Amino acid sequence: GAVVSQHPSRVICKSGTSVKIECRSLDFQATTMFWYRQFPKQSLMLMATSNEGSKATYEQGVEKDKFLINHASLTLSTLTVTSAHPEDSSFYICSARDWTDSSYEQYFGPGTRLTVT
Amino acid sequence: GIQVEQSPPDLILQEGANSTLRCNFSDSVNNLQWFHQNPWGQLINLFYIPSGTKQNGRLSATTVATERYSLLYISSSQTTDSGVYFCAGASGGYQKVTFGTGTKLQVIP
Repeated sequence: GAVVSQHPSRVICKSGTSVKIECRSLDFQATTMFWYRQFPKQSLMLMATSNEGSKATYEQGVEKDKFLINHASLTLSTLTVTSAHPEDSSFYICSARDWTDSSYEQYFGPGTRLTVT
Repeated sequence: GIQVEQSPPDLILQEGANSTLRCNFSDSVNNLQWFHQNPWGQLINLFYIPSGTKQNGRLSATTVATERYSLLYISSSQTTDSGVYFCAGASGGYQKVTFGTGTKLQVIP
C-alpha cells in the first residue's frame, strides 16, 4: 500500500528558532501534498496545499511567511516553521495523493509533534 | 468547502459490543475516507468509500452519496479499537479534504 513518512516524529525547539519537517511519499509519486495541524483534542485543519514545482496554496488565516512550504520533487515536501513561538506547538500531519491513481484517496503520514519552549 | 459533522462525539462501549458511527456532509462528495487515530496520533486509513459498502474484518462502512452520509460499523469491539475516529470528505474537483470533528471511542474490558 501507499506509504507516507514524516521526519522528525518529534521535535523540541527554542522560541525564535526555525524547524523543518519533511514529508515523503515512499512508494508513489505525488504532484500534490497537503499539510494539516491538529491541536489537542481537536480535529485536523488544513494549512496548505503543496504543489510540486510551484507555490503552495495557503488556507485563510495561515501565515505563508511563517509556514514555508517547498515541494521540490514528486516525493518530497517540506514545511518550515520559521521563528517558532510556543503557540506554534502542535501536531503537524502531511498527506499525499498518488497522481497515477484515478481515485481521490489520500494517504497520511504519522505526524510530527512540535513543542516550542 | 464542504461541512462535515460526526456523531456521536463520545462513545463508551463494553468489549464485545457493536457500534455505529455517523458522518454527515453538506454536499456531494467524490472522496470520503474513514480514519482511526491511535493514541500516538497516527492516522490509520480504514476505508476510502465515496459510495457503496465495504468490509474489512470487524469493520464495515457504507456511504449513501445521494443522502450525504456515511456510516462506520464496528462489530465485536475490542479495547484496541479505542481512539478517535474521523471521517473526511472532499467535493467537486477539489482535492482539499475537510475533516469531521471526530468520535472518541473508549472500549472497556
